Amino acid sequence: DTAVSQTPKYLVTQMGNDKSIKCEQNLGHDTMYWYKQDSKKFLKIMFSYNNKELIINETVPNRFSPKSPDKAHLNLHINSLELGDSAVYFCASSLDSYNEQFFGPGTRLTVL
Amino acid sequence: AQSVTQLDSQVPVFEEAPVELRCNYSSSVSVYLFWYVQYPNQGLQLLLKYLSGSTLVKGINGFEAEFNKSQTSFHLRKPSVHISDTAEYFCAVSGNDMRFGAGTRLTVKP
Repeated sequence: DTAVSQTPKYLVTQMGNDKSIKCEQNLGHDTMYWYKQDSKKFLKIMFSYNNKELIINETVPNRFSPKSPDKAHLNLHINSLELGDSAVYFCASSLDSYNEQFFGPGTRLTVL
Repeated sequence: AQSVTQLDSQVPVFEEAPVELRCNYSSSVSVYLFWYVQYPNQGLQLLLKYLSGSTLVKGINGFEAEFNKSQTSFHLRKPSVHISDTAEYFCAVSGNDMRFGAGTRLTVKP
């Protein structure tokens, strides 16, 4: 059973397009996250949700909008994609903000 | 707020040699400490964690780490590495929230 799943695994798109990445966890966790990992492997937190409410919203462009329809899902929508958005995006979940996080397999986004 | 510094961005080592990946943290509150491993083209997975109790923590794949409060360190060690240990390793600290280090690339050479 996959604990944290993301779709799609790869996403190749043109500049200016709008795209979404979906994330689901079946661990019963209350907290979910989105991270961006650049080519140097630096992991930057973007958003954190607890029980469907936004907890952390780091400095990211407002072209990025997370949506949590329920506790088990946290989707990421990106408007007007730019070249600099190319990266691997990871979803993660945890019981709470203190505990270990469980990561999804990542979505490699390439903007052409 | 808490932060974590991984002192080495890259660590090359020969197979069967011992390795230590260094991690220092700072925090004004009590913390939990973690090491994660990321194999190529995969997500992060937990190697080990320190929550409380014994300062020597054993994890998966023969790794261990020692929590040193006076030196605010949580270095990761393995006595004998394998080629398959080649990966990116992340130290993380949680207090109010989770913060990750910049990562250390461990490359094991034959």
